[in-house]
Amino acid sequence: RKEVEQDPGPFNVPEGATVAFNCTYSNSASQSFFWYRQDCRKEPKLLMSVYSSGNEDGRFTAQLNRASQYISLLIRDSKLSDSATYLCVVMPLSGGYQKVTFGIGTKLQVIP
Amino acid sequence: NAGVTQTPKFRVLKTGQSMTLLCAQDMNHEYMYWYRQDPGMGLRLIHYSVGEGTTAKGEVPDGYNVSRLKKQNFLLGLESAAPSQTSVYFCASSALGGAQEQYFGPGTRLTVT
Repeated sequence: RKEVEQDPGPFNVPEGATVAFNCTYSNSASQSFFWYRQDCRKEPKLLMSVYSSGNEDGRFTAQLNRASQYISLLIRDSKLSDSATYLCVVMPLSGGYQKVTFGIGTKLQVIP
Repeated sequence: NAGVTQTPKFRVLKTGQSMTLLCAQDMNHEYMYWYRQDPGMGLRLIHYSVGEGTTAKGEVPDGYNVSRLKKQNFLLGLESAAPSQTSVYFCASSALGGAQEQYFGPGTRLTVT
């Protein structure tokens, strides 16, 4: 089993739709979780951290399910500008930088 | 602030040639990283540095060397390029390690023929 797994997509959704992505991780000791956004042929940029209690930033909601070892990203009222690849990132609690693991990303295409 | 910059943006090498990729950051970050990104694979850590004068191996260090002589610069060297090193290379930096946001450079697209 891969350390971090994501459905590569693409997820094609109409403008205004709600879409959700999951990311599963295999290391139960993982402590920090993030979602990064990567536009085509650009560098990744932090979208949001994922907190144990779940967190929201505007139209974006991130959740963590430790029991089932996955994180999720929910996007409400999708905009054309949301089209990008969303990378999940899993880190250990401290040190071990070499164990920082990126998922392959889930591609989202928002259609007019 | 420019953030994280990388040079060059594109490069084509022939097998066996050498080159150095330069990463510079102006955010006074302690930690710097070199990743490669290939289709169907997540970003993979090549080498990293936790401060000036220090370097350490990441997940895929073979065929690469690095140096961090100055805090703001992190160099990635390919001594004898191979086609398997065709990839997009990203440099990143963070203020501290662990659960800290990483800031990425725009990437270098390298093709080895």
